[in-house]
Amino acid sequence: AQKITQTQPGMFVQEKEAVTLDCTYDTSDPSYGLFWYKQPSSGEMIFLIYQGSYDQQNATEGRYSLNFQKARKSANLVISASQLGDSAMYFCAMREYQTGANNLFFGTGTRLTVIP
Amino acid sequence: DGGITQSPKYLFRKEGQNVTLSCEQNLNHDAMYWYRQDPGQGLRLIYYSQIVNDFQKGDIAEGYSVSREKKESFPLTVTSAQKNPTAFYLCASIGDRGYESGANVLTFGAGSRLTVL
Repeated sequence: AQKITQTQPGMFVQEKEAVTLDCTYDTSDPSYGLFWYKQPSSGEMIFLIYQGSYDQQNATEGRYSLNFQKARKSANLVISASQLGDSAMYFCAMREYQTGANNLFFGTGTRLTVIP
Repeated sequence: DGGITQSPKYLFRKEGQNVTLSCEQNLNHDAMYWYRQDPGQGLRLIYYSQIVNDFQKGDIAEGYSVSREKKESFPLTVTSAQKNPTAFYLCASIGDRGYESGANVLTFGAGSRLTVL
């Protein structure tokens, strides 16, 4: 079974509008963390935001927020006021803390295109 | 500035040749990782190392080898046994962001793109 599922291969958003990128996860580990990374065309992976499984509130980092719905096992990324520089691949990832190794399981990604 | 340096950025290899991708970090991180990325796919773990002189196989270790003689360095060798080595390779290390226990954030290098001719 896939640990992380991103069902949107590509998304388009108008500049200055908000966009939601979907992510669902599968784990039986009670202690886990969810991450979002941005990968521009240059290829490097840029950390955006983190949500722990025990966090009561949704994480926010500037224009990024994570809509964490634990019962549904979803961790959608919301980007507000989209900018042209937001055009990139976005990856959702999960770490299971009790299984150790600090490994992150990645989804297949969503390509976001911001339209002027 | 602290970070992870990967070299070379682009590499071409003939079939049957071994090549080594360099990964150096000055973040003082203990754990280092190598991932492979193919078009339209996420990242798959090749090898990881939690500490100097120790490393473990990831999900797709066949055809690859690593060493960890120094904390700062974790080179990856793509051997001739790797059947389809053309891919984008990312090196990463992990450190604590400090704002929440367990929130270890994987920091990535800029990547190395290997093409087999």
